[in-house]
Amino acid sequence: ETAVFQTPNYHVTQVGNEVSFNCKQTLGHDTMYWYKQDSKKLLKIMFSYNNKQLIVNETVPRRFSPQSSDKAHLNLRIKSVEPEDSAVYLCASSPDRGDTQYFGPGTRLLVL
Amino acid sequence: GDSVTQTEGLVTLTKGLPVMLNCTYQTTYSPFLFWYVQHLNEAPKLLLKSSTDNKRTEHQGFYATLHKSSSSFHLQKSSVQLSDSALYFCALSLASSGSWQLIFGSGTQLTVMP
Repeated sequence: ETAVFQTPNYHVTQVGNEVSFNCKQTLGHDTMYWYKQDSKKLLKIMFSYNNKQLIVNETVPRRFSPQSSDKAHLNLRIKSVEPEDSAVYLCASSPDRGDTQYFGPGTRLLVL
Repeated sequence: GDSVTQTEGLVTLTKGLPVMLNCTYQTTYSPFLFWYVQHLNEAPKLLLKSSTDNKRTEHQGFYATLHKSSSSFHLQKSSVQLSDSALYFCALSLASSGSWQLIFGSGTQLTVMP
C-alpha cells in the first residue's frame, strides 16, 4: 500500500516556468529525499532532509530547491525549468539516513 | 571515489532459468548494500539489503551475499518467473564523519521470456 504520496502525477510546462511538486509520507520517518530518474532510467539522489539538515548533491543545479514544513512533507521547487529537467521525480523516505528507502509513485515532468 | 557498478544493462532469460545480476562497489568506508526492484511504471521497492560480510540474505526467492574481499553484492535467483521482469538497482549507502552518501548503480533490466 502507498505510504509516500506525490502530486501531481504528471506535469507539462514550458521552458522558464516555475513548478512545484508535493510529497507527503505517513510512515513517521525522519528522513526524506528527492531523486531524479531520467529517460535512461538512471536514478540520482538530489536532496536528503533530516531534522532540518539538508544534504544537497553538488551536481544539482541551483534552480532546484527543496521545501519542508514538517518532517512528513518535502516539496520540490524548480525555478525556471530547462528542457533537460524533463524526467520522473521520485520522493522517498526512510527511518534514518542510509536506511531502506520507501518511494512514492513519482511525478513525471515534461518541459516543452 | 565511491561508486557502484552494474555491468549488465540488459539481461534476457527464459522462465525457469537461474540468473545472476552483478554488482560491485568501490569505497574505503564501511558499506551498506541494497538491491531495489522497479517494475514498469511503479516506484522502486527494496528487495534485499546487507552490511554483514559473507552472510547470505534472501527475499522472495532472490538472494545475495556481501563479499567485502571482492567488493561484490551480486543478486541471484535459481529459477526466474515472468513476474521478475523489472529494472534492478544496486545501491551503496555510506556514512562517515557526519557526512552521508547514497549511490545507485545504473540498473539492470531483466526480461523473462515464456
